[in-house]
Amino acid sequence: ETGVTQTPRHLVMGMTNKKSLKCEQHLGHNAMYWYKQSAKKPLELMFVYNFKEQTENNSVPSRFSPECPNSSHLFLHLHTLQPEDSALYLCASSQNDRFDGYTFGSGTRLTVV
Amino acid sequence: GNSVTQMEGPVTLSEEAFLTINCTYTATGYPSLFWYVQYPGEGLQLLLKATKADDKGSNKGFEATYRKETTSFHLEKGSVQVSDSAVYFCALSDPTGNEKLTFGTGTRLTIIP
Repeated sequence: ETGVTQTPRHLVMGMTNKKSLKCEQHLGHNAMYWYKQSAKKPLELMFVYNFKEQTENNSVPSRFSPECPNSSHLFLHLHTLQPEDSALYLCASSQNDRFDGYTFGSGTRLTVV
Repeated sequence: GNSVTQMEGPVTLSEEAFLTINCTYTATGYPSLFWYVQYPGEGLQLLLKATKADDKGSNKGFEATYRKETTSFHLEKGSVQVSDSAVYFCALSDPTGNEKLTFGTGTRLTIIP
């Protein structure tokens, strides 16, 4: 247990479904991140939130919609995904006024069918 | 901009062999440097870090020294075990202070008995 919990661990969804990924951190951190990890590709930073405010969106398609209601929770809402969106989605958090790297969750393995 | 270059994998070694995974970086200023490890089916975990030149990070028998003159942070271990099989990521923090990590592409390590 790293202090960052992601649910569900595995998700299979159809292209017309709507689902959400959840991330919760118990570390008192003030920044949270979504990353996409696909086979044979580098880690892709998707979104960054600082103190609940989105500070970075790396040209992510609108079918991915993040939500950060407070500094401890981060969601990724998914709708009308494509098969190429199948990947491991990783959440991370950090404390930016005494930065010591990221703490990652275990990820959600998403399969779009 | 900032970048991290890791040696191409996959790397396959026999148990008890000496390990080196090369990492070089490009950054303006003085970043902190990190190694993360990802075991199968898991998220990334911080393995070790160094915050200034000539610092040596160490953990679980792994070591890496921050070399400013060669802009390198090579990961080493004297005697690897089967349980070290994983993907290893080198990363640097943005030296301008926005506390974002830039990751290398990862090196897959397989240790055979």
